[in-house]
Amino acid sequence: EVQLMESGGGLVQPGGSLRLSCAASGFTFSTHWLHWVRQAPGKGLVWVSQINTDGSTTAYADSVKGRFTISRDNAKNTLYLQMNSLRAEDTALYYCVLTSASGGWYAYDHWGQGTLVTVSS
Amino acid sequence: QSALTQPASVSGSPGQSITISCTGTSSDVGGYNYVSWYQKYPGKAPKLVIYDVSKRPSGVSDRFSGSKSGNTASLTISGLQAEDEADYYCTSFTRYNTYVFGTGTTITVL
Repeated sequence: EVQLMESGGGLVQPGGSLRLSCAASGFTFSTHWLHWVRQAPGKGLVWVSQINTDGSTTAYADSVKGRFTISRDNAKNTLYLQMNSLRAEDTALYYCVLTSASGGWYAYDHWGQGTLVTVSS
Repeated sequence: QSALTQPASVSGSPGQSITISCTGTSSDVGGYNYVSWYQKYPGKAPKLVIYDVSKRPSGVSDRFSGSKSGNTASLTISGLQAEDEADYYCTSFTRYNTYVFGTGTTITVL
């Protein structure tokens, strides 16, 4: 069974930093692309970032480009999101998401439960 | 990376069919057959209900179906049930090798 478990969320002041982690199990981690998707309170889902199988290719939403860095450790089956220069508008529940064959490789067929990031003074 | 456009809300009576639209551009919805749909209950993680425009994942009811015409994709729920009351989001792969979500639609079962 695929499991994605996010951690690292919390309360941080504007301008601060936070690193999210996503521990994965139940599938071959090193052969799958992974993504971060967020949902601000009362708002919709927003794609944040993605990373390919070996970490050599990444992409970011314009709203986080230059501030967030996605990475992965295939030896530890863990995905990361380093978030710097945080703003109030980054407050959201952050989901770790997997694309796999069961979703045609271009759909998010497995989701974690999310970790809450709150940016406030 | 503008969000895809969905109606804010759609409602229907039990047993009816409803359709949610998802409008993008030729750079996303219109350019690729990689549109997917998600059902989301409050406090729960989203669940994939349609991928590749019209394919259903294993275990998803056949009351859910998807289609696309030009730059607009659609999700149809037939035989509407109380349990279908939730938020629904579309997403599409884009020409920039990224993804974009729709604005979300709240389904109300009358």
